[in-house]
Amino acid sequence: DVVMTQSPLSLPATLGQPASISCRSSQSLVHSDGNTYLNWFQQRPGQSPRRLIYKVSNRDSGVPDRFSGSGSGTDFTLKISRVEAEDVGIYYCMQKTHWPPITFGQGTRLEIK
Amino acid sequence: EVQLLESGGGLVQPGGSLRLSCAASGFTFTTYAMNWVRQAPGKGLEWVSGISGSGGSSTYYADSVKGRFTVSRDDSKNTVYLQMNSLRAEDTALYYCGKGGWMDAWGRGTTVTVSS
Repeated sequence: DVVMTQSPLSLPATLGQPASISCRSSQSLVHSDGNTYLNWFQQRPGQSPRRLIYKVSNRDSGVPDRFSGSGSGTDFTLKISRVEAEDVGIYYCMQKTHWPPITFGQGTRLEIK
Repeated sequence: EVQLLESGGGLVQPGGSLRLSCAASGFTFTTYAMNWVRQAPGKGLEWVSGISGSGGSSTYYADSVKGRFTVSRDDSKNTVYLQMNSLRAEDTALYYCGKGGWMDAWGRGTTVTVSS
C-alpha cells in the first residue's frame, strides 16, 4: 500500500501570512495514463471533508484562489497564500493512483496563532 | 445541488451487523463510482470500500473490512449501501459516503458504535 506522510502534523498559522503543508508518498504517484491522482481535502471543525484540489493542482469550484497545489512524483505541497480564520481545520492529502486501497495522509491541523 | 445523505448507523454489539445507506441526489448517480470512508473518533480518514458506476460490477475493499463488509448499489433508488457484518470495536467510526472515484462531494456521515 502507498503510505502518505504529511508534515507538519500541527501548523500554527498567522492571519494574512502564507502557510504550507507537505505530503510525501512512499512511491511515485504518476499513473500509467500520465496523470497524478493526488487530492487535497479540508475538514473544518465539526464538518465533513471537502475536496479542495484534485490531480495535484486543480482547484475545485468555489475554492478560493489563495489555495494552490503543486508537486510531482512523490512530493506534493498545499499552499495557502494568505491564511484566513475560516481556514482553520484539518487538511488531508489522498492518493488514488495505486489503488485499492485509496490512502490518506495522517492530516495536518491548522490553527491560528 | 449534489446531496448525499447517509443513514443506518447506530449502536451494535460486537459480532453484530448493520446496513448503511447513502441516498444521492443532484447528479446522474448511475454514472459515478461511489466510496465509503470512515473516521474513528479523533482520528483521520480511512477509505473503506468503493463500487463502480453503472450497476456496480466492480467492488473494492480495505483489507481491514474484506470478508466482513459488502458494498452494493441500487441505481433505481440512487442509493449505495454498505452491509457490515461481524462488527468489531475498531469499526466504531463516523462513516461517510463520497461521490465519484475522487470524492468530490461528501455526505454528513452516519455514526456506528460497536460496543457491548
